[in-house]
Amino acid sequence: DTGVSQDPRHKITKRGQNVTFRCDPISEHNRLYWYRQTLGQGPEFLTYFQNEAQLEKSRLLSDRFSAERPKGSFSTLEIQRTEQGDSAMYLCASSLGSGQTEAFFGQGTRLTVV
Amino acid sequence: DAKTTQPNSMESNEEEPVHLPCNHSTISGTDYIHWYRQLPSQGPEYVIHGLTSNVNNRMASLAIAEDRKSSTLILHRATLRDAAVYYCILRDYSGGSNYKLTFGKGTLLTVNP
Repeated sequence: DTGVSQDPRHKITKRGQNVTFRCDPISEHNRLYWYRQTLGQGPEFLTYFQNEAQLEKSRLLSDRFSAERPKGSFSTLEIQRTEQGDSAMYLCASSLGSGQTEAFFGQGTRLTVV
Repeated sequence: DAKTTQPNSMESNEEEPVHLPCNHSTISGTDYIHWYRQLPSQGPEYVIHGLTSNVNNRMASLAIAEDRKSSTLILHRATLRDAAVYYCILRDYSGGSNYKLTFGKGTLLTVNP
């Protein structure tokens, strides 16, 4: 297993365009998370899935953001009508669902909105 | 969430021990102390965690004060690959949102050759 995989690694888009990112978690992990990180700050929690159910969404996640995990495996994060303030690193993480388990992070997708 | 306080930055020399402090004076009895680190251009990675007793693993040691209001991550021999931002995070496993990691700004560790 190669860990958590994110695609693409980098995305440059024009303001107003829609973008979609993909995350493939570690195969046996039933928990999946999305975080956002801006320069000089620690990652901020966006949303959490247990299997295919989205159980929490941060108020950071405006209605332009939507995340799915249709079969409890990979997940997508879509941003509609991108704004310059959306420029950030988007990190995906996964973990097992029980006990004091660590989260494994992907390398992230760096989004630049021009 | 209970808050943690870390120095913004620290510097070390290669092959010397590094002690990274974290204050968490409002820690609750059910909060575990977790450490993650983030290397340049990478996602965070788990380092170590503990509740009350000191912990050791292949990456580091975690020393927890007796009153649990502070802890120290110890890298026994720093290498250039240990240069990263180190985050001290409290996780309450008894709570409903125990899956969430709340990151602060962390400590940027620079390792000099």
